[in-house]
Amino acid sequence: EVQLVESGGGLVQPGRSLKLSCVASGFTFSNYYMAWVRQAPKKGLEWVAIISTSGTTTYYPDSVRGRFTISRDNARNSLYLQMNSLKPEDTATYYCIRELGFRLSFAYWGQGTLVTVSS
Amino acid sequence: DIQMTQSPASLSASLGETVSIECLASEDISNDLAWYQQKSGKSPQLLIYDTSRLQDGVPSRFSGSGSGTRYSLTISGMQPEDEADYFCQQTYKYPLTFGSGTKLEIK
Repeated sequence: EVQLVESGGGLVQPGRSLKLSCVASGFTFSNYYMAWVRQAPKKGLEWVAIISTSGTTTYYPDSVRGRFTISRDNARNSLYLQMNSLKPEDTATYYCIRELGFRLSFAYWGQGTLVTVSS
Repeated sequence: DIQMTQSPASLSASLGETVSIECLASEDISNDLAWYQQKSGKSPQLLIYDTSRLQDGVPSRFSGSGSGTRYSLTISGMQPEDEADYFCQQTYKYPLTFGSGTKLEIK
């Protein structure tokens, strides 16, 4: 059974940093692209970052590029999201995601971790 | 960026009714379209990918169709457990973008 367990969310002041982690199990982690998607309270879904199987290729939308960094440790079956210069509009539940396999559809989602950016 | 315009924003349906949700892309996305279901308080789940391919375990009453810029999700025979929010997503190119969502309720 595929499991994705996020951690690291919490309350943080604007301008500060936070690092999210996701531990994966139930599949061969190194074979899949991994991603982060966020959802602001009572709002829709926004893709945040994606990383290739080896970790050498990453993509971001303009809203977070230069502030967020996605990374992975295939030996530890772990995915990370380093978030710097946080803004109130980054407040959201962040989901760790395994893509379907060469399709960029998001096949498996974690339970999410809430990040609140507020002074 | 590719804009995904989803409609309607909300709808209510009776049990057994067939419902459809539409997504209009701002450019041709070559059938690279996925649909997700999100029940209240839960994480989204993939229903359909590549416009019409059902994810494992998804009931056959769900179907997807479309081409070019126009895509739709159809539920043939609304069930109580189908009450949820539904989102489309283009997987054609970066940045990956979602529709704004449709809230489906039971009438």
